[in-house]
Amino acid sequence: DTEVTQTPKHLVMGMTNKKSLKCEQHMGHRAMYWYKQKAKKPPELMFVYSYEKLSINESVPSRFSPECPNSSLLNLHLHALQPEDSALYLCASSQGGGREQFFGPGTRLTVL
Amino acid sequence: GESVGLHLPTLSVQEGDNSIINCAYSNSASDYFIWYKQESGKGPQFIIDIRSNMDKRQGQRVTVLLNKTVKHLSLQIAATQPGDSAVYFCAENGYGGATNKLIFGTGTLLAVQP
Repeated sequence: DTEVTQTPKHLVMGMTNKKSLKCEQHMGHRAMYWYKQKAKKPPELMFVYSYEKLSINESVPSRFSPECPNSSLLNLHLHALQPEDSALYLCASSQGGGREQFFGPGTRLTVL
Repeated sequence: GESVGLHLPTLSVQEGDNSIINCAYSNSASDYFIWYKQESGKGPQFIIDIRSNMDKRQGQRVTVLLNKTVKHLSLQIAATQPGDSAVYFCAENGYGGATNKLIFGTGTLLAVQP
């Protein structure tokens, strides 16, 4: 299995809602990532997990809360988001540093 | 790379022609580079990579060239097809592989005319 899967594909939420994005990979990769991508822009790194531990947080606001329950799963918990947080949220995984990252299809998030 | 606001740099080519997409990277310590293709509504798809101990690497219809002297990377696509239409991003590992962090370029939109 060489795929990164993400659910849901689309999510619409209000500013007071709590929701979660999910990501899964079964390639045995030990690093997993969350990126945010706005239209016509490159992906921006948010978080990196290495061996199930948070290794990089790119100064992301606390309304985004990552979680890595096990080596195959990565969640992003969302609470009290703002309309400017609307974007494509991408999950990726890799064998480690200096190796290619494999991306999922993304979750298109709209915050009303 | 420098932001171009809401408009991506665009390369328009005729079907069957060769395409060359360029990228200037920022960190001389980077030792690993990747090209990704992103179609509308999809996540980035790995195309090809190259390490800094090489200056050229070939794949199926694609070639990546690396010039470390001027910190320049290029992606050549042979016999471009309509299915190649997408945004192409270069990425570097910025910290010489010491972290898992990739730094993405601003992207180029490749438009293939039939």
